[in-house]
Amino acid sequence: GAVVSQHPSRVICKSGTSVKIECRSLDFQATTMFWYRQFPKQSLMLMATSNEGSKATYEQGVEKDKFLINHASLTLSTLTVTSAHPEDSSFYICSAREQGAYYGYTFGSGTRLTVV
Amino acid sequence: KQEVTQIPAALSVPEGENLVLNCSFTDSAIYNLQWFRQDPGKGLTSLLLIQSSQREQTSGRLNASLDKSSGRSTLYIAASQPGDSATYLCAVKPGGSYIPTFGRGTSLIVHP
Repeated sequence: GAVVSQHPSRVICKSGTSVKIECRSLDFQATTMFWYRQFPKQSLMLMATSNEGSKATYEQGVEKDKFLINHASLTLSTLTVTSAHPEDSSFYICSAREQGAYYGYTFGSGTRLTVV
Repeated sequence: KQEVTQIPAALSVPEGENLVLNCSFTDSAIYNLQWFRQDPGKGLTSLLLIQSSQREQTSGRLNASLDKSSGRSTLYIAASQPGDSATYLCAVKPGGSYIPTFGRGTSLIVHP
């Protein structure tokens, strides 16, 4: 089955630094990737949608300059949290889909970001 | 705008019971519906994917049904086990969009 690899699984960084999270589709080409944020005991919050080779589409209220998304190839998307602050601490999850209306979504294992 | 509702929000049952989790959606124009499982601090694991033209899908002790016209899906878990404890989410892929809409999930605890 389709597999999405997300790294790192856990990261602790100092306030003011930047952190990059990678999301790779291992056995399929992901024309679209999604980035979600999840607060404790809450549902997923879609942050942005990215298509290979084009700019990401951000959801309302998500700061583009803080959460930089790059979808440089059909198998790799990255989320960079710039100038991280403690309020950016959260669980970030990526998801990918293959081209075609009838495919489902495959999720990464998530990244726990703690900003100290 | 598509809305997805999951009932119940939480469920606690003894081991061995058969369970039904419900998912309803407001717009029947969907491509497919997918059930996921999420363990604490983990990503989502796909359980079953039902296309809009299908009525049900089965995998082991899991059976998911879809009634597109009434906007409902159920996930049936047979002979529940403590290892089934997790949050179960359903998501629909709306027609004309590739962005899924998620329900808020059902938190399931199966105690020995």
